[in-house]
Amino acid sequence: DAKTTQPTSMDCAEGRAANLPCNHSTISGNEYVYWYRQIHSQGPQYIIHGLKNNETNEMASLIITEDRKSSTLILPHATLRDTAVYYCISGSGNTGKLIFGQGTTLQVKP
Amino acid sequence: ETGVTQTPRHLVMGMTNKKSLKCEQHLGHNAMYWYKQSAKKPLELMFVYSLEERVENNSVPSRFSPECPNSSHLFLHLHTLQPEDSALYLCASSQQGAGETQYFGPGTRLLVL
Repeated sequence: DAKTTQPTSMDCAEGRAANLPCNHSTISGNEYVYWYRQIHSQGPQYIIHGLKNNETNEMASLIITEDRKSSTLILPHATLRDTAVYYCISGSGNTGKLIFGQGTTLQVKP
Repeated sequence: ETGVTQTPRHLVMGMTNKKSLKCEQHLGHNAMYWYKQSAKKPLELMFVYSLEERVENNSVPSRFSPECPNSSHLFLHLHTLQPEDSALYLCASSQQGAGETQYFGPGTRLLVL
């Protein structure tokens, strides 16, 4: 699985969009990009995933660059409850092997 | 009950004790996972079960023994643990074929004295 790199931490003002970047320059053509988040001391929560096209669901949007070397998770209107560690992970889609890194700690501030 | 549940939520045990962690999923999935999350470290995949067969053992010491009696239940049997085994143990489930889309339980916080 390709390695991903994320900033260690980010701040966002409540009500504003939170844009979390992820680099995955060695991702292969059949690997997806997955995003999870973990609120303090809870289990990780699946957010969204994508292969090539941009994706949107009720939680977030995922923008993947055309060369697929990077992506951005967008939380359109961040709330205090979105404060969490966000993980960007690549995977083939069917192995079940999620390799978690350190992720990005997002702090949403009032 | 919905989603993935884990019991107990908190557990304190001595190094000579034997205990078991239980995970139950109510999502109709057929793959289940155990992860370990130590303080200040990323989550580590321990075991993968698919269709009740163990398909991955990520070099986990034998003092951790998983059991998957059916597709809805997963156990982690613990014996002669060490203090460094203190961690948050997380269970997850997925549909086979969509393995990286996993749904996690709340975890069991384990303290080994």
